[in-house]
Amino acid sequence: SAVISQKPSRDICQRGTSLTIQCQVDSQVTMMFWYRQQPGQSLTLIATANQGSEATYESGFVIDKFPISRPNLTFSTLTVSNMSPEDSSIYLCSVPTFRTDYGYTFGSGTRLTVV
Amino acid sequence: DQQVKQNSPSLSVQEGRISILNCDYTNSMFDYFLWYKKYPAEGPTFLISISSIKDKNEDGRFTVFLNKSAKHLSLHIVPSQPGDSAVYFCAASAVLQGAQKLVFGQGTRLTINP
Repeated sequence: SAVISQKPSRDICQRGTSLTIQCQVDSQVTMMFWYRQQPGQSLTLIATANQGSEATYESGFVIDKFPISRPNLTFSTLTVSNMSPEDSSIYLCSVPTFRTDYGYTFGSGTRLTVV
Repeated sequence: DQQVKQNSPSLSVQEGRISILNCDYTNSMFDYFLWYKKYPAEGPTFLISISSIKDKNEDGRFTVFLNKSAKHLSLHIVPSQPGDSAVYFCAASAVLQGAQKLVFGQGTRLTINP
């Protein structure tokens, strides 16, 4: 399965600022997914990043708050904009494996704290 | 609407005994169920899965049981080892809104005591 490099691994940011998270995959993948895990909560899908087209956002998530780029088949970024303490979470990127019964492969995550 | 639920936030088990983690779901459209294991500062890693047409899948010390009528699955780890201490996420896969997606439970923190 694919290997994902995600960075930064953690950051502490001031409210009102923005942070861009990067994910690099060691193979070409059609879709990349961005998840958020708030403290004590499940992993929630933010959006699906498609190469060459706009990202598809899940209910409750909007492009102005979480703009996504997907310039090629191995790379994607997620920006958390105009941050507030409620944005403090772990953000994860993931890609499908080649088998449905294996689900997805995940990056190591970015632990974001907004102060 | 929480489609996948893990009602036990934590579980503590003695080393060598059986660990049983439970998961309930509501959507009959799920076609695969997966368990992921997550250590601190790492992303979730795939552990074991089961198709909705089966009721049991075994891989070494790990067995997943599916009860479709009850919309319930469980992960059995036997014997439990200290390295099994981690957060375990149940996930369900289905085509939702035209795309294959994974829906996760809240996770159960498993602690294996020596």
